[in-house]
Parts: sequence; C-alpha cells; structure tokens
Amino acid sequence: DTGVSQDPRHKITKRGQNVTFRCDPISEHNRLYWYRQTLGQGPEFLTYFQNEAQLEKSRLLSDRFSAERPKGSFSTLEIQRTEQGDSAMYLCASSPQGAQFVLEQYFGPGTRLTVT
Amino acid sequence: AQSVTQLGSHVSVSEGALVLLRCNYSSSVPPYLFWYVQYPNQGLQLLLKYTSAATLVKGINGFEAEFKKSETSFHLTKPSAHMSDAAEYFCAVGGNYGGSQGNLIFGKGTKLSVKP
Repeated sequence: DTGVSQDPRHKITKRGQNVTFRCDPISEHNRLYWYRQTLGQGPEFLTYFQNEAQLEKSRLLSDRFSAERPKGSFSTLEIQRTEQGDSAMYLCASSPQGAQFVLEQYFGPGTRLTVT
Repeated sequence: AQSVTQLGSHVSVSEGALVLLRCNYSSSVPPYLFWYVQYPNQGLQLLLKYTSAATLVKGINGFEAEFKKSETSFHLTKPSAHMSDAAEYFCAVGGNYGGSQGNLIFGKGTKLSVKP
C-alpha cells in the first residue's frame, strides 16, 4: 500500500527564488490538501482540491503561492519570490471519498523548506 | 469559528505509566475530532477519529479517546506508556462549517517524553 509521497524532502533556497513542491496522493484518493507547519505549531491549512478543482484557499495562501492539480492526480505547490517567513514544513494529505471517510486525511512525510 | 486547545506543550511520563494528553475544542456544530501522532522529521499519522458514533474511540497502538460533549473535551489516553510512544501528538477538529468541506484545524501539539 503506497502512501502519500512528497518531493523533495528538503529544499534550501535563497530569498527571492521560486520553488516548486510535488505531492503524489494515495491512488484513487480524490481529495488533496496542502498544509504548512512551522516550528512549535500544528499544521495550518493552505488549500484543498477535489479531483482537479481547487475548492478552497486559506488567507495564508498569499498571491505568491499557487497550487495546481492538473489531472486530478499529483499536485504541485509553487512559491514565488520566497521570503524567510516561508521557511516551514509543507505537508500534503489525501482523503478518499465516502461518508465513512469524512475528513480522514493521510499525510505525506512533508517537504522542509529553508529560505536563507 | 472552530478551534482546538491542547493543554500542556510537553508531557513526561515513566515507561509503564498512564498517558493522558488533553484536548478541548470549540465548535458550534457537531465536530469531527482526530488525534494524530508525528515522529521527528515525519508526516502525521492518524491515531483515531470521532465522528459522532461511539463516544469512546479506540485507535492504533493502544490509544483511545473519549468524547465528552459537556466538557467539550477529547482527551487521549493509553494505560501503559512505551518508549516508542515518544513523539508529538496533535488534536484536530473538522466539520462542514462556513462552506468548508475539507480542512482540519490543529492544536499546537503536545510533545510526549517517556522516561525509562
């Protein structure tokens, strides 16, 4: 059983550079979520897809952030003009459809971003 | 708005002792409640969930949690701690409110240490 995978696991970038992260959900999970986790905090919701449709975006997702899920399978999260405050762990989660799975989300290992 | 408060950012117990991690929630609608565990540099793993069925919920690794509506609590317990339980634990609440169908709201986490 393949879980949620994320790539890369670690990314170090200089301020002002663009970065892109990839998430591959569990196959046949139609819902996909992105969260951000900073040190000493719980994950904070960023955005959510059902199939290829982006249904919700948090106010944390500034216009420098964009997420896509072009074919309803993998998703990418891009951060443009990175700032030091973007340093965090970026977590992806997926969820199957069905009433018995309401909000039951399975998380990947995360991508740790360090902006220098 | 929904929120979660985890009392105690750090809990230390001896191996074999009772584990009690506290979580209180705020919700104007019947909540879905979750406990997740996170090991260092890893993603979150679902321990258990409450979705308005039985108020006592059993999860993996011997953990259980009891939903108490009158106390707005969902505390996590384990009768006998094991060294491998040392990790960070997150309580989360979710529900179909404000049009949201997906995101979980997490507490700040409680780091559990287990002494030999």
